[in-house]
Amino acid sequence: RKEVEQDPGPFNVPEGATVAFNCTYSNSASQSFFWYRQDCRKEPKLLMSVYSSGNEDGRFTAQLNRASQYISLLIRDSKLSDSATYLCAVNTHNFNKFYFGSGTKLNVKP
Amino acid sequence: EPEVTQTPSHQVTQMGQEVILRCVPISNHLYFYWYRQILGQKVEFLVSFYNNEISEKSEIFDDQFSVERPDGSNFTLKIRSTKLEDSAMYFCASGTVSYEQYFGPGTRLTVT
Repeated sequence: RKEVEQDPGPFNVPEGATVAFNCTYSNSASQSFFWYRQDCRKEPKLLMSVYSSGNEDGRFTAQLNRASQYISLLIRDSKLSDSATYLCAVNTHNFNKFYFGSGTKLNVKP
Repeated sequence: EPEVTQTPSHQVTQMGQEVILRCVPISNHLYFYWYRQILGQKVEFLVSFYNNEISEKSEIFDDQFSVERPDGSNFTLKIRSTKLEDSAMYFCASGTVSYEQYFGPGTRLTVT
C-alpha cells in the first residue's frame, strides 16, 4: 500500500473556477502535512503547511481529516498561473522522513 | 529571500564513476534532506540529516550513497559507483523545526 496517494488528474478547469484536490495517507501516526506546487522540471515549492484546524492563505485553503486520513487543498478563483502539479507531503511519526504523493496536475484554461 | 542552492545543475557521468552533488542550505536551517525524482515519477525521500548525523534514510539510500556536511555551509551527496538507474533529478532541501522544507533547484544526473 502506498504511503501517500493522489489522483494524478489532470484537472482541466476554466479561469475563475474553484478546484479541490485530496490526498490520502496510510500511516495514522503521521504528524505533519504539507502542500507543494511543482512546475514542469522545477523543484517543489512549499505552498502551505496543513494544520489540524484547517488554514487559509489567500485563495488557498488546506484541511486535514485525521479520522479519514486525508488532506485537501481548495483553490478558489483559479488563475492561469495556478497551472502546475500539486504534491502533498506527509512526514511519519519519526518526524524526519517524508513521503510525497505522485502529484495532481492542474491545467487552468482561459 | 534566502534560498537553497545546488551545483552542478547538470552532471553527466559514466556508469561506475563516483559523483558528488553539492548543496548550500539556507543558513539558519537545522534539517537537511536529499530527494530524487526520476523523470515523470514522484519525489522520493533519500535521507535526512540533523545535528551532524543521518536521522532517517530510505531503502533507496544503500551503501553506494553517503552524505556529509564538511563545513558550516555545504551539504553533499556522494554516489560511489553510479548505475544507469541513478539517472534522476536530485533535490536538496533544508528545513526548520516546523519541518517545512525548502528545495533547491536540483541537479540533473545523467548516467551513461
